[in-house]
Amino acid sequence: GNSVTQMEGPVTLSEEAFLTINCTYTATGYPSLFWYVQYPGEGLQLLLKATKADDKGSNKGFEATYRKETTSFHLEKGSVQVSDSAVYFCALSATGANSKLTFGKGITLSVRP
Amino acid sequence: NAGVMQNPRHLVRRRGQEARLRCSPMKGHSHVYWYRQLPEEGLKFMVYLQKENIIDESGMPKERFSAEFPKEGPSILRIQQVVRGDSAAYFCASSSLLRSTDTQYFGPGTRLTVL
Repeated sequence: GNSVTQMEGPVTLSEEAFLTINCTYTATGYPSLFWYVQYPGEGLQLLLKATKADDKGSNKGFEATYRKETTSFHLEKGSVQVSDSAVYFCALSATGANSKLTFGKGITLSVRP
Repeated sequence: NAGVMQNPRHLVRRRGQEARLRCSPMKGHSHVYWYRQLPEEGLKFMVYLQKENIIDESGMPKERFSAEFPKEGPSILRIQQVVRGDSAAYFCASSSLLRSTDTQYFGPGTRLTVL
């Protein structure tokens, strides 16, 4: 079946540090890939997405590239801010699966001033 | 343009009671998904509905859980005879099209606590 694996957390960084959060997936066909962010006490917000191989999603300084050869969709940001502290979820939507999302476990990012 | 609405935001029930969670999708969206987030875990798909139809309930527990999305009104997730293990955050999401590339928009969630 479909699955998403995220690196273990939590992650603590200092402000302006470089961020990488790893995400790999297993799916049949050609899934769409998403990163969602959840701030404390809130629902999930779409951060970025990519729908085909080699696509790069980007938003608010975050980027992720759909790598089919390595089945990965790693999230990066060049300079994190305190306001980026949240839980980050990688997810996929498989073709022909009624578009339901399969999520990774999420990783908590804390950014220190 | 209002986003996905869920109510209540917090719900406390005693074991054996019923819980009813409501979700109003974004305007113009006809596809509704329910997900459950257990403590320290990611979200797990429960059920996918269109108006008056359950399309995919492969993630729903076989007993005590049911969902509907009537022609008029919000989608309802109903949990009968709740147990402590039902304590979780329940999120609703909606989308306008049935394509794997389409974005699902999430509501703020209902946090259910079973005493």
